[in-house]
Amino acid sequence: RKEVEQDPGPFNVPEGATVAFNCTYSNSASQSFFWYRQDCRKEPKLLMSVYSSGNEDGRFTAQLNRASQYISLLIRDSKLSDSATYLCVVGHNTDKLIFGTGTRLQVFP
Amino acid sequence: DVKVTQSSRYLVKRTGEKVFLECVQDMDHENMFWYRQDPGLGLRLIYFSYDVKMKEKGDIPEGYSVSREKKERFSLILESASTNQTSMYLCASKRDYGYTFGSGTRLTVV
Repeated sequence: RKEVEQDPGPFNVPEGATVAFNCTYSNSASQSFFWYRQDCRKEPKLLMSVYSSGNEDGRFTAQLNRASQYISLLIRDSKLSDSATYLCVVGHNTDKLIFGTGTRLQVFP
Repeated sequence: DVKVTQSSRYLVKRTGEKVFLECVQDMDHENMFWYRQDPGLGLRLIYFSYDVKMKEKGDIPEGYSVSREKKERFSLILESASTNQTSMYLCASKRDYGYTFGSGTRLTVV
């Protein structure tokens, strides 16, 4: 079983739609949580950290449920430029991060 | 902003060659990492380093070694390249939250 699991997608949504991605992790000792964005043939870039209280950055909202070991990312009012692969990332008490294989989002006009 | 620079964007090497992939970061970070990324498998950790001359094996170290002689430079070495090492190689440096990645080296072994 993979340590971080995501639905690979693709999620095909029209501009303006709201879309949500989910991710589960298996190690209950995980301490840090992130969403990364990766454009085609580019390196991953940090989108946002995820906190237990939930956090929002503009159109993006991230939630963490430690009891269910579940992380989510909600994107409101999708733009064409949001098309990318979104990586769920989990860290332990070392500085090592474990990456999910990513969920692909395609926003169409 | 932290800058992580990988020396080559694309490389083509022959089977059996010794290959060096170089990575430099400019923010005096202690922690640096090498990943490879393959379709359907995601990012897999090869090696990481917490300080100069220190190295730790990641999840898939076989066929690779690393060198960290200076804090800013972390090199990945393929001792004898094989076709199954054809991949995208990503170097990362740890920031306060998460990592900053270099732009990657797409290595093809023929």
